[in-house]
Amino acid sequence: DTAVSQTPKYLVTQMGNDKSIKCEQNLGHDTMYWYKQDSKKFLKIMFSYNNKELIINETVPNRFSPKSPDKAHLNLHINSLELGDSAVYFCASSQDQGFRVFFGSGTQLSVL
Amino acid sequence: QQQVKQSPQSLIVQKGGISIINCAYENTAFDYFPWYQQFPGKGPALLIAIRPDVSEKKEGRFTISFNKSAKQFSLHIMDSQPGDSATYFCAASLNAGGTSYGKLTFGQGTILTVHP
Repeated sequence: DTAVSQTPKYLVTQMGNDKSIKCEQNLGHDTMYWYKQDSKKFLKIMFSYNNKELIINETVPNRFSPKSPDKAHLNLHINSLELGDSAVYFCASSQDQGFRVFFGSGTQLSVL
Repeated sequence: QQQVKQSPQSLIVQKGGISIINCAYENTAFDYFPWYQQFPGKGPALLIAIRPDVSEKKEGRFTISFNKSAKQFSLHIMDSQPGDSATYFCAASLNAGGTSYGKLTFGQGTILTVHP
């Protein structure tokens, strides 16, 4: 049983397109996150949600819109994709904010 | 104020040796310091973590040493094995409320290679 699962694993698309990444956790956690890992492997938080409420929005362009239909799901929609959006996006969750954060296996986004 | 600096960028160790990775932080309000291990194509996995009220925590071959006055902490991997070859990230978070509540700030990562 995968604790934090995200789909798709790979996403290759053209500039200007809109795409979504889905994330689900079966750990019963209250907090979910999106992190971005760039080509140099640097990890940076984008958003966090606690019980479907946005807690952290780390000055991400508004082309990125997270949506949490329930506390087990946190999806990421990206409009008008740009070359610089190419990265690996990780969904994560934790019971308490910041403690014992569990990561999914990532979605590698390539914008051509 | 939010930075975590990690060194070295890469580390090569012989099997059985000790791997040491260091991190330094600036924000004295950080109160939780985890280490993550990441294999290629996988997400980071929590390895071990420490709070600033203790100076050392050991779990199996992995030990965190914490120096609050120097604002530094390090990961020691004893008896390093080829299977330990991965990228290691230190991180810090602020869990006492405020706008950064729950945000993990990561170091730049260390690529560890353990030769057989």
